[in-house]
Amino acid sequence: QKEVEQNSGPLSVPEGAIASLNCTYSDRGSQSFFWYRQYSGKSPELIMSIYSNGDKEDGRFTAQLNKASQYVSLLIRDSQPSDSATYLCAAPRTNTGNQFYFGTGTSLTVIP
Amino acid sequence: ETGVTQSPTHLIKTRGQQVTLRCSSQSGHNTVSWYQQALGQGPQFIFQYYREEENGRGNFPPRFSGLQFPNYSSELNVNALELDDSALYLCASSLRQGDTEAFFGQGTRLTVV
Repeated sequence: QKEVEQNSGPLSVPEGAIASLNCTYSDRGSQSFFWYRQYSGKSPELIMSIYSNGDKEDGRFTAQLNKASQYVSLLIRDSQPSDSATYLCAAPRTNTGNQFYFGTGTSLTVIP
Repeated sequence: ETGVTQSPTHLIKTRGQQVTLRCSSQSGHNTVSWYQQALGQGPQFIFQYYREEENGRGNFPPRFSGLQFPNYSSELNVNALELDDSALYLCASSLRQGDTEAFFGQGTRLTVV
């Protein structure tokens, strides 16, 4: 089992809809989780971090963490064509802050 | 722009050759990590350097090695290149060793033929 797993998609949503991206992790000791956005041919860009159970909102983005279920999700409201990218879920290796396990990424396309 | 720069941007090498990739971290950042991202996959952690010493290593063979210099810039060296080493190599810098925020450079696309 991989440390961080994502559905690779692709996921397509119409413009203005909610896109829902999911991630599971295997290490119950993981304390923090990160969502990166990667446009084609570009490097990953941090868009959200979450450390506590529940929801964290930042603009159109909401990260959700359920430690009991070992589940992390990212919701994108009012999806825009510019949101079309690959979204990577990441968690730090045990006892490190910034040595990350990444999922394989979910490719999102927002259709105008 | 993150302030993390990598060179070169693209590189083609022959199987069995050696390659050196370079990374300049964001100003003041003393921690540099390297990742390998194969096509269609997420980045995989290779190793991290903190104040010129290796500070963690992923599941990569010893032919992957690195250096960090006093100005915190870093090099990734790969010996005896294999076809499967073809990937995007990403460098990420962090302000301090334990910081959770990492800033990625634009990457070096390595093709091994």
